Amino acid sequence: DTAVSQTPKYLVTQMGNDKSIKCEQNLGHDTMYWYKQDSKKFLKIMFSYNNKELIINETVPNRFSPKSPDKAHLNLHINSLELGDSAVYFCASSQSREARNYGYTFGSGTRLTVV
Amino acid sequence: TQLLEQSPQFLSIQEGENLTVYCNSSSVFSSLQWYRQEPGEGPVLLVTVVTGGEVKKLKRLTFQFGDARKDSSLHITAAQPGDTGLYLCADKSVGYQKVTFGIGTKLQVIP
Repeated sequence: DTAVSQTPKYLVTQMGNDKSIKCEQNLGHDTMYWYKQDSKKFLKIMFSYNNKELIINETVPNRFSPKSPDKAHLNLHINSLELGDSAVYFCASSQSREARNYGYTFGSGTRLTVV
Repeated sequence: TQLLEQSPQFLSIQEGENLTVYCNSSSVFSSLQWYRQEPGEGPVLLVTVVTGGEVKKLKRLTFQFGDARKDSSLHITAAQPGDTGLYLCADKSVGYQKVTFGIGTKLQVIP
């Protein structure tokens, strides 16, 4: 039973298209995140939601729009895709907003390739 | 902006050897976490350390947190092929629970 599941696993699309990535967690966590991992394996936070409320938005182009219909889901919609958007996108969740000992539970990632 | 440096960036060793990888921060860690990421998967949390000088062990892995809470090391004894992966250190800030990751050490253990 997957804790954090993302779909699709792979996404190949042309420049200019609009695409969405879905994420769901069944851990009962109240905070969810989107991270981007580039070709050099550097993981950088994009967004964070706590109980459906946006709490972190790290200077991401406004072509990227997260949506959280409930605290178990955080989707990522990308408009007008560009070549530089090619990367692996990870969804993650965590238990508590304040507890330092809690780590993230990551999904297995979505490899986005823009051609 | 906090910078996390990890060294070495790449490490290839034979099965059975010991190794140590390092993580250094430009500022004091709030809490330091180590993750391991295998190809095609997301990172998996290995340990969280909070107190300066703290040492934690996880089977053959030993994690040490510097007294000044600005550096950490991960030592693996008798490495096995299953240890292969990308080792990431991260700082988890209080408040909004933002985690900042280092660039990682890519470890390959050759059978």
